[in-house]
Amino acid sequence: DQQVKQNSPSLSVQEGRISILNCDYTNSMFDYFLWYKKYPAEGPTFLISISSIKDKNEDGRFTVFLNKSAKHLSLHIVPSQPGDSAVYFCAAMNVLQGAQKLVFGQGTRLTINP
Amino acid sequence: DAEITQSPRHKITETGRQVTLACHQTWNHNNMFWYRQDLGHGLRLIHYSYGVQDTNKGEVSDGYSVSRSNTEDLPLTLESAASSQTSVYFCASSRDSWNTEAFFGQGTRLTVV
Repeated sequence: DQQVKQNSPSLSVQEGRISILNCDYTNSMFDYFLWYKKYPAEGPTFLISISSIKDKNEDGRFTVFLNKSAKHLSLHIVPSQPGDSAVYFCAAMNVLQGAQKLVFGQGTRLTINP
Repeated sequence: DAEITQSPRHKITETGRQVTLACHQTWNHNNMFWYRQDLGHGLRLIHYSYGVQDTNKGEVSDGYSVSRSNTEDLPLTLESAASSQTSVYFCASSRDSWNTEAFFGQGTRLTVV
């Protein structure tokens, strides 16, 4: 049973526009959420995170929104740049269950078109 | 610079053989993890360790084992490789704090024929 779901396998956005990547989760015990970015032939790299006590976290062009009642989070990238083309993974964890035992979504491939 | 390295980067092995994938980190992190990435599943946790001599099973641990004899290394062993274990394997490490990210290696692509 997939506890973290990214229902869009791919997304194509024009350079300069906003990219919105979505993620849903089913386990109400998750209390910390992260986004990772992955280029081909490389390992995932951390992008941004959010604790369940917040509903928004911003870091430069990247903002993550958390809607606990809907069990939904989203990553906004504004403005989108060609270097943002990558696969984005949403991940969730329960802090009490131990550090960084992450449950990942399937990933969304983002393509930024010039 | 501190880093996390995996070896080999690519491996082809035959069904039934024992295979060991290496993971080495120089951050002195206590926490280390092995994930596998498969299409349609994202990354799934195989085994993890919170320190020397500590090992724990993850979501998909059947057919795999790990050992932690020092802080820097967490080798992953496939006892008897199966075609279902063809995948890309990622090792990761993190600090002890709960609100910190994991750092991933570059991955090992394993093909079992």
